Amino acid sequence: GENVEQHPSTLSVQEGDSAVIKCTYSDSASNYFPWYKQELGKRPQLIIDIRSNVGEKKDQRIAVTLNKTAKHFSLHITETQPEDSAVYFCAGLGGNTDKLIFGTGTRLQVFP
Amino acid sequence: DTGVSQDPRHKITKRGQNVTFRCDPISEHNRLYWYRQTLGQGPEFLTYFQNEAQLEKSRLLSDRFSAERPKGSFSTLEIQRTEQGDSAMYLCASSPFPRGVLFEQYFGPGTRLTVT
Repeated sequence: GENVEQHPSTLSVQEGDSAVIKCTYSDSASNYFPWYKQELGKRPQLIIDIRSNVGEKKDQRIAVTLNKTAKHFSLHITETQPEDSAVYFCAGLGGNTDKLIFGTGTRLQVFP
Repeated sequence: DTGVSQDPRHKITKRGQNVTFRCDPISEHNRLYWYRQTLGQGPEFLTYFQNEAQLEKSRLLSDRFSAERPKGSFSTLEIQRTEQGDSAMYLCASSPFPRGVLFEQYFGPGTRLTVT
């Protein structure tokens, strides 16, 4: 079945450094890949997404890259700030289904 | 607040009782999804609706679970004869899905269920 793997499970960085989270997916028909940020006790919040017809998308300090051949995509956060601390989830949406398959999450801690 | 809303936010129930949760999607979003999230895990898909039609159900959705969206607006998720393993956060999401085009899913705050 469909599967999305995410790593690392935890990531600690100093304020101002960059953070990279990587995901791989198994369904080659997947064509939409969102990233969600979830703070403790709050709802998952969509922060950026990418569709299979592009290789990279940027939004201020956040960027996502997609390699369809290798079936992996990554989230890049530059100039990290303490308020970036949260759990980040990647997800994939397949071409044959309309449900999101989530990764297991990455807990990002940004130390001041 | 024009986002997805869920009610109740917290529910504590005894094993064997029935519970029902409600989700109100963003206005005019015709797709509505239910997910379940346990501690330390990503959300897991349960089921989804396009308007009032239930289009897909996960194998996770045993016969004790039923979901409805009778008028294509709000949805309810009922769990009968609750078990301790049902304890989780139940998340609802909605999406403005025109035919043939992919769109984002926006989540509600969730209903946290504790079965004692």
